[in-house]
Amino acid sequence: EDQVTQSPEALRLQEGESSSLNCSYTVSGLRGLFWYRQDPGKGPEFLFTLYSAGEEKEKERLKATLTKKESFLHITAPKPEDSATYLCAVQAGGSSNTGKLIFGQGTTLQVKP
Amino acid sequence: DGGITQSPKYLFRKEGQNVTLSCEQNLNHDAMYWYRQDPGQGLRLIYYSQIVNDFQKGDIAEGYSVSREKKESFPLTVTSAQKNPTAFYLCASSAYRGRAYGYTFGSGTRLTVV
Repeated sequence: EDQVTQSPEALRLQEGESSSLNCSYTVSGLRGLFWYRQDPGKGPEFLFTLYSAGEEKEKERLKATLTKKESFLHITAPKPEDSATYLCAVQAGGSSNTGKLIFGQGTTLQVKP
Repeated sequence: DGGITQSPKYLFRKEGQNVTLSCEQNLNHDAMYWYRQDPGQGLRLIYYSQIVNDFQKGDIAEGYSVSREKKESFPLTVTSAQKNPTAFYLCASSAYRGRAYGYTFGSGTRLTVV
C-alpha cells in the first residue's frame, strides 16, 4: 500500500535556528514527490517537485532533497514568516496514470522571533 | 489570472441536509480533484475526474457525490449520508507535465454541521 509519513508532527524553532523536516514514503513506482506550504485556512501552495533519488531543489531558505525512501525539507535560518504547515505528497506510477496525490499528515512549523 | 475558485468560503449544514460546494477553474486543466482535510490528518481523496462526464471514487467517497458536466466545473455534494462532514474541503486541478501531474489548489471551503 502506498503510504507517506511525515515527522515531526510539530516543530518549534527560534528565528535563525536551522532544522529539517522528514517525509518517508513507500510507493509502487514514484512519479514525483511534492512539497507544499499551507497557511491556516488556506489551500496548499506549491513549493517543489522532486522526481528521482539524488535530486535537490532550492528556494530562498528552503532546500528539498530526495532519496529512494525519504525526502527532507531543510530550512536554513528560518524567519517567523516561514511558520506554516508543510505537506509532503507522492504521486505513484504504474499503468493507471491518474495523477492522484497521497499526502502525509503534515509538519506544523512555528518560528519564534 | 488563471486559477481555481471555491465557494463559499464557509458553509453551515443542518442535520439531514444536502449541501453543494462549488469549484471552478480557468486553467484549461483536464483533471480535477476533491480532498478532505481534518485536523492533524493529511488530505484524503474523495473523488476525481480526468475528463468531462467521467469521475472515479477516491478513498473516502461514501456520503459524497460529484458531477463533471463542464471542463471548468467540478461541484461536490455532501449528502445527509455523510455522518461526519465537518472538515476543510479542497478542490484541485492538474495538468500532466511530462513526468508527473502538477497541481493547483483552491482556497478551500470550511463546512460545519450545526
